Amino acid sequence: DAKTTQPPSMDCAEGRAANLPCNHSTISGNEYVYWYRQIHSQGPQYIIHGLKNNETNEMASLIITEDRKSSTLILPHATLRDTAVYYCIVRVTYNQGGKLIFGQGTELSVKP
Amino acid sequence: AAGVIQSPRHLIKEKRETATLKCYPIPRHDTVYWYQQGPGQDPQFLISFYEKMQSDKGSIPDRFSAQQFSDYHSELNMSSLELGDSALYFCASSLRNSGRTQYFGPGTRLLVL
Repeated sequence: DAKTTQPPSMDCAEGRAANLPCNHSTISGNEYVYWYRQIHSQGPQYIIHGLKNNETNEMASLIITEDRKSSTLILPHATLRDTAVYYCIVRVTYNQGGKLIFGQGTELSVKP
Repeated sequence: AAGVIQSPRHLIKEKRETATLKCYPIPRHDTVYWYQQGPGQDPQFLISFYEKMQSDKGSIPDRFSAQQFSDYHSELNMSSLELGDSALYFCASSLRNSGRTQYFGPGTRLLVL
């Protein structure tokens, strides 16, 4: 599975959009980009995933560059409850094991 | 919607004792994963099962074993516990034919004294 690079920490004002970048320059053509977040000591929470196209759900939007070497997770209106560690993970979905390899992640602090 | 259930949520053991953690996946999910998260660390993959067969293995100590049962629940058995085994243990489940997105349980916090 490809390695990802994320900034260790970011701040965001409440109500503003939070844009979390992720570099995955060695991603393979069959690897998806997944985003999870972990609110202090809780189980990691699935947010969104994508392969090539931009994706949106009720939680966030995922923007993947055309060359697929980087992506951005967008929380459109951050709230205090979005304060968490956000993990960008690339993996193959049809792999029989399918384990997630968690990297450093970005600690997002949403401030009033 | 039903989520992954883990029990117990908290467990305190002495060194050299044994512990059994249980995981009940989301209904109809056929794959279970176990992760360990030490203090201040990121979650680390331990082992996974698909249809009761081990499908992948990570950095799981030989003192640990796990299995998945016919009802798809899984148990992580830990023997000869060490202080360093104190951690959060997460179970996740997924459905193989639905993209394998993993959904995590709330975790079991194990403290070894």
